[in-house]
Amino acid sequence: GAGVSQSPSNKVTEKGKDVELRCDPISGHTALYWYRQSLGQGLEFLIYFQGNSAPDKSGLPSDRFSAERTGGSVSTLTIQRTQQEDSAVYLCASSRRTSGRRETQYFGPGTRLLVL
Amino acid sequence: AQSVAQPEDQVNVAEGNPLTVKCTYSVSGNPYLFWYVQYPNRGLQFLLKYITGDNLVKGSYGFEAEFNKSQTSFHLKKPSALVSDSALYFCAVRDEGNNRLAFGKGNQVVVIP
Repeated sequence: GAGVSQSPSNKVTEKGKDVELRCDPISGHTALYWYRQSLGQGLEFLIYFQGNSAPDKSGLPSDRFSAERTGGSVSTLTIQRTQQEDSAVYLCASSRRTSGRRETQYFGPGTRLLVL
Repeated sequence: AQSVAQPEDQVNVAEGNPLTVKCTYSVSGNPYLFWYVQYPNRGLQFLLKYITGDNLVKGSYGFEAEFNKSQTSFHLKKPSALVSDSALYFCAVRDEGNNRLAFGKGNQVVVIP
């Protein structure tokens, strides 16, 4: 079946511009996660959505970062006023169950963001 | 708090030899442990996980991992490495109080023909 898809695959932007990254989870998966992979920081958790519950935003590095999930499916991660340190690969993952601790997270291919 | 340590930056192994990638973890309560592999310019691909039960877990592509509670380890193993196994390997853990995964820094595996 179809896996997690993300778009765009690559994004180059200028410092100070806003960017939107999109994630389409596996059909039927209720949980959705965003992570960031960068050279200096490894893989960092950003935000977690589960069904209609309030998202866990505790990993967002600043108030320039926000995310939403519409209709319990597609999610958009928005970075406002991008900075060079935002350059990274942004990975989206989804998993099946509401009580998701045992469930496997399946990752998309990522969006590679470069801020000039 | 949950955390993972992957002590080696790079693991070099000759093709056909056994491959081991080390991982130790720290959690509160019971751990749920995962291994992922990442090929260049690709996302993370799930290999295997330990939730409960048998300490030896078998996964994709001939990989297996052994959960050792006393040593808080979850080392990834493959009896005979292939050149195509060359990739970046991540160990991850979550405990019962967390939905997020905590990842190690990753190990680059290089299989030499």
